[in-house]
Amino acid sequence: DGGITQSPKYLFRKEGQNVTLSCEQNLNHDAMYWYRQDPGQGLRLIYYSQIVNDFQKGDIAEGYSVSREKKESFPLTVTSAQKNPTAFYLCASSRLSEAFFGQGTRLTVV
Amino acid sequence: AQSVTQLGSHVSVSEGALVLLRCNYSSSVPPYLFWYVQYPNQGLQLLLKYTSAATLVKGINGFEAEFKKSETSFHLTKPSAHMSDAAEYFCAVSEGTGFQKLVFGTGTRLLVSP
Repeated sequence: DGGITQSPKYLFRKEGQNVTLSCEQNLNHDAMYWYRQDPGQGLRLIYYSQIVNDFQKGDIAEGYSVSREKKESFPLTVTSAQKNPTAFYLCASSRLSEAFFGQGTRLTVV
Repeated sequence: AQSVTQLGSHVSVSEGALVLLRCNYSSSVPPYLFWYVQYPNQGLQLLLKYTSAATLVKGINGFEAEFKKSETSFHLTKPSAHMSDAAEYFCAVSEGTGFQKLVFGTGTRLLVSP
């Protein structure tokens, strides 16, 4: 079945550590996105990529980094510079007029 | 810039009652509008979308929404609520096809009581 796979589902990070969230899609979509979800704030765009080897900052990119070396993959790194990383992270891809979402990764700082 | 406002962070209905979730948008160009549903600890699932065709859009699970340009609204309705409809609902707007840089509302949690 085609879809978007995010891993891991739950992730714990110690203060000062970088962590990488995985996002893989087999839908052959050019565009991919990372959103952050916090209670009562909806989804906010972190980074997006319209094509391989190109990506753009979204509304809340500080403390995050991404790469897009392959069409299928768009990993997100949460760096130690992100002061409040505890949140639910959603990856999406899109084609034409519809976006498809993964099941999310819940990141908790311990 | 686009924006979305969802009125009411929580909406409570009884099973069998009408569901109405409100969404107003702002866009400088004809918008594409979406409603997504999210169950706890899961991703978002598309309920329905408006892409400049018919103004009354029917979606999955008996939901529908009507695009009203004069009111800049895209409210979500369902004639009869079911317990399984309890979830969080997000309205979103984008400015066209292809590249879907969606802007989301803050969400409305639907509570359904027996």
